[in-house]
Amino acid sequence: AQTVTQSQPEMSVQEAETVTLSCTYDTSESDYYLFWYKQPPSRQMILVIRQEAYKQQNATENRFSVNFQKAAKSFSLKISDSQLGDAAMYFCAYCWSGGGADGLTFGKGTHLIIQP
Amino acid sequence: DARVTQTPRHKVTEMGQEVTMRCQPILGHNTVFWYRQTMMQGLELLAYFRNRAPLDDSGMPKDRFSAEMPDATLATLKIQPSEPRDSAVYFCASGNSGQVYNEQFFGPGTRLTVL
Repeated sequence: AQTVTQSQPEMSVQEAETVTLSCTYDTSESDYYLFWYKQPPSRQMILVIRQEAYKQQNATENRFSVNFQKAAKSFSLKISDSQLGDAAMYFCAYCWSGGGADGLTFGKGTHLIIQP
Repeated sequence: DARVTQTPRHKVTEMGQEVTMRCQPILGHNTVFWYRQTMMQGLELLAYFRNRAPLDDSGMPKDRFSAEMPDATLATLKIQPSEPRDSAVYFCASGNSGQVYNEQFFGPGTRLTVL
């Protein structure tokens, strides 16, 4: 069974600085998707960024980028120019791509604090 | 603006009572997921449906939980009887098996408290 591990329960960063959140996963599959979701205090799950396993190029979305290392099964999220609105729980998630829309396996999350 | 809706948003009930949570997926999506979020276990997949047929409910306690899709616009999750350990936030999400990335769109969640 696949597992997702986020080793940082909490991270703190100064506003305008850069922070990197770690995620590792374990799977025997070769085709899958990886995601980072943001959950603010409202509880709404918001998709931040996504990556297909077969793509070597790292995904970027404005201030958010990932470092995807398939051999190491690592998928970290970098947030540049941190803003107060980035404060939230961040969840790394895995989904096998071979079954159509399949269920997500989540990590335990990292609580990101932005210091003004 | 298409979105997943869930009702109720909050539910407080007493142990032993039946609880029904409802979800309206995004129109045109053929897959519906139920997740549960607790402090201890995090986010867990309970069950999911494709084209209204259950595909996987292995994450769901079978003795008290049941999930159904009476039609394409409604998914339900029932707990009978409810127990304090069922207190959690229950999320519904919908997606389309034909989409790239298998992207799932989440509803706002139902916060359940069982006393």
